[in-house]
Amino acid sequence: EVQLVESGGGLIQPGRSLRLSCAASGFDFDDYAMHWVRQVPGEGLEWVSGISWVSVGIAYADSVKGRFTISRDNAKNSLYLEMKSLRLEDTAVYYCVRSDGFLEPTDAFDLWGQGTMVTVSS
Amino acid sequence: DIQMTQSPSAMSASVGDRITISCRASQGISNSLAWFQQKPGKVPKRLIYAASSLESGVPSRFSGSGSGTEFTLTISSLQPEDFATYYCLQHNTYPFTFGPGTKVD
Repeated sequence: EVQLVESGGGLIQPGRSLRLSCAASGFDFDDYAMHWVRQVPGEGLEWVSGISWVSVGIAYADSVKGRFTISRDNAKNSLYLEMKSLRLEDTAVYYCVRSDGFLEPTDAFDLWGQGTMVTVSS
Repeated sequence: DIQMTQSPSAMSASVGDRITISCRASQGISNSLAWFQQKPGKVPKRLIYAASSLESGVPSRFSGSGSGTEFTLTISSLQPEDFATYYCLQHNTYPFTFGPGTKVD
């Protein structure tokens, strides 16, 4: 089955770090760029970060630049998001999303994981 | 950064209505635009990609059009399962940006 499964979310104090993981299955992971998208409950979608299939291309939203690091391990079919210096406003559901290319993809964001909730609170 | 705006932000509609949602980019994005539908507590579902291509399995009452800075999602005859929030996404230039959403109720 073609799917993405996120893990690693939870309750974390402000200023601490957390690492999210996304396990891909059912498709050739290293043929795709990957992204993280987040959503504060009850609010809109926000693109967070993206990475090309060989990790040469990486991009971040301004809101997380310098604090979050995206990475992938194609041998493990896995995507990661290392989040440091977490803030209250980072509280959201984090989705792992697939895209056919990193630069100007034509078949973007076709497959989404179920999401993992990150709650930043003291 | 490219800003995406959507109009209306919310709309009331009835089953059978033809509805149109607009999405505008602050600068040209060619056809690098996708539309998503999201229901409460659910994962976003892609409806349209490359501005006008219908996702496999999505009913033909959904259609997308536009290029450059102006885009439209049309539902030709609203069905009960279509009541949801709709988002556009530009994936032409980083940082990618979503529109703020249009709630159809």
